[in-house]
Amino acid sequence: KNEVEQSPQNLTAQEGEFITINCSYSVGISALHWLQQHPGGGIVSLFMLSSGKKKHGRLIATINIQEKHSSLHITASHPRDSAVYICAVRSVERNRDDKIIFGKGTRLHILP
Amino acid sequence: GAVVSQHPSWVICKSGTSVKIECRSLDFQATTMFWYRQFPKQSLMLMATSNEGSKATYEQGVEKDKFLINHASLTLSTLTVTSAHPEDSSFYICSARPVIAGARLLNEQFFGPGTRLTVL
Repeated sequence: KNEVEQSPQNLTAQEGEFITINCSYSVGISALHWLQQHPGGGIVSLFMLSSGKKKHGRLIATINIQEKHSSLHITASHPRDSAVYICAVRSVERNRDDKIIFGKGTRLHILP
Repeated sequence: GAVVSQHPSWVICKSGTSVKIECRSLDFQATTMFWYRQFPKQSLMLMATSNEGSKATYEQGVEKDKFLINHASLTLSTLTVTSAHPEDSSFYICSARPVIAGARLLNEQFFGPGTRLTVL
């Protein structure tokens, strides 16, 4: 079992829909990142969370440390939001300090 | 927010040549930089951790003589792919961790945009 699991793996939605991408992890962490990767490969850091909730524009990220779960929400989705969204955690397990563990990503496709 | 740049953003080279990729922290100093690679449709995988002024620590299975890492200053780390082969074609990404200036920065890592390497 992967230490960072994302769901769904693929998501197609209509423009304007509310999008939720989930991330569950099984290790102790000090921080969780949400990254956006566009078709050309370029990475954009969206959020870094260690607790609570963050909002930036139409994007909202939440984390529940006790449940080891984070969600990324996109409100009023737009075709330009189409990308792969990657959840990554910074592990604090022994001998793994500083190591970032990446999920496999969620491929989002927003239809116009 | 803090910015990490990579240069070049893409490169195409012939088999057998060496390619250098730069990772720069633009508005902060980074004691530690990380190099990752991503093969098509796979997760990013850590290749090595470099600390300024010391030798890089490589992950299991990553050849240190093939992937030379230099972290000569607090704002620059370079990855050189030596004698590149088509199987080295990948997406290479760096991230940087700021110099500890307070507990708030301890968990921060800032990602570069990545460099796509294609070896013909």
